[in-house]
This record gives sequence, structure tokens and C-alpha cells, in this order.
Amino acid sequence: TQLLEQSPQFLSIQEGENLTVYCNSSSVFSSLQWYRQEPGEGPVLLVTVVTGGEVKKLKRLTFQFGDARKDSSLHITAAQPGDTGLYLCAGARKSLTNSGGSNYKLTFGKGTLLTVNP
Amino acid sequence: DAGITQSPRHKVTETGTPVTLRCHQTENHRYMYWYRQDPGHGLRLIHYSYGVKDTDKGEVSDGYSVSRSKTEDFLLTLESATSSQTSVYFCAIKEPGLAGPNEQYFGPGTRLTVT
Repeated sequence: TQLLEQSPQFLSIQEGENLTVYCNSSSVFSSLQWYRQEPGEGPVLLVTVVTGGEVKKLKRLTFQFGDARKDSSLHITAAQPGDTGLYLCAGARKSLTNSGGSNYKLTFGKGTLLTVNP
Repeated sequence: DAGITQSPRHKVTETGTPVTLRCHQTENHRYMYWYRQDPGHGLRLIHYSYGVKDTDKGEVSDGYSVSRSKTEDFLLTLESATSSQTSVYFCAIKEPGLAGPNEQYFGPGTRLTVT
């Protein structure tokens, strides 16, 4: 069962256009993270949102966490070729370790492959 | 840069052979994770460690074992590799962030091909 549905799966746009990527779940998360991954590299953390309704901006990227902490969106304004990459959302939920302590596990969406054409 | 290295970066092996992947970190992080990334599945957790000799299973742990004998190294072993284990493997560490305790940082990955 995919706990985090990410859409769209693929997105190809022209430089200067705006776009929004969505991450939806029926589960509540303690926090949600957005990553960007380039070919042959590991995911790089862009932002973490924690509070329901929270909005964070990172230059031309705007991240929003849903009021109920079940969904999130990433909006890019005036996309540039350098924004090309795989965007991943990941929700954190608390779990118990073998020893009875607590840990947070991440559940990832399948990703949105963004191509920005010059 | 979270100081994570993975070795090897690429490996081709035959079905039935044992394979060990190494994750090394230099910043004394307590939590370490192994994920695999496959088309159509995204990143899935294999095993994680919350301290030396303390490990637990993730969602796709069958066919994998891990060991952590010292803080800086987390080893992932495929006892008898199968073609279904062809994947890109990522190690991650977790460090407390200002926004919460859940931020994970990833290594560069190991591309494993089982023929």
C-alpha cells in the first residue's frame, strides 16, 4: 500500500512556467520533507515542514503542509533548467524500536520527474 | 555535507554470491538507514540502526542483514544475491534539525547489478 501518493509522476515544462507538485496521504505525519535528486546522486533535503498549515519559501520554491498534516505541495515559480530533477516527498511517523525506544521512519512518495526545457 | 560515504559505488555480481555494502559516516550520528530505490517503487527502507549493535527491520528486509559494530560503519549484506536485489542502495543518517528530529541525509548510493 502506497501511503504517500505523489503527482504528477512526470512533468515537462518550458523555462519560465510555474508548476505545482502534490503529495497526498490518508495518514497523519509528524513532519514532511521534500528532497531533490539528480541522476547518479543521493536525494538532497530541501525543506522540512512540521506544523499544519505551515508555508516555507526557498527562493522560487514554496512548500506548504496541509492543515491536517496529511498532504503537502511544492510550487515552483518561473522554473529554470537548473530545477530539473526528481522531487521526492517523505512523511515521518513515529515507531518503536526493538528495545522499546522511539524512532521516526520516513515513507517516500514515488517521486515527480521534472524536466525544464530552455 | 553530512560526511557519508558508500562503498563500492558500483558492483556487478552473480546470483547466489554474498555481497556486502558499506556505509561510513564521520560525524558520530546515532541513527543510520539503508534504503533501496527502484523505478515505480521509490525509496523503501530495508533496515536501520539506532546505535552500535542495535538494528531493526524496515519494510523490505527479507534477504538482507545488517551489522553495526562501531558508530561510523553500517554494513548491509545480501547473503545470497538474487536478480530481484538489483537496485540502487542508499545509506542515510538522521540528525536533529531545527524543524524537528526527522531530517535524514543521504549518501551517494551504490548501484548493484545481480546477473
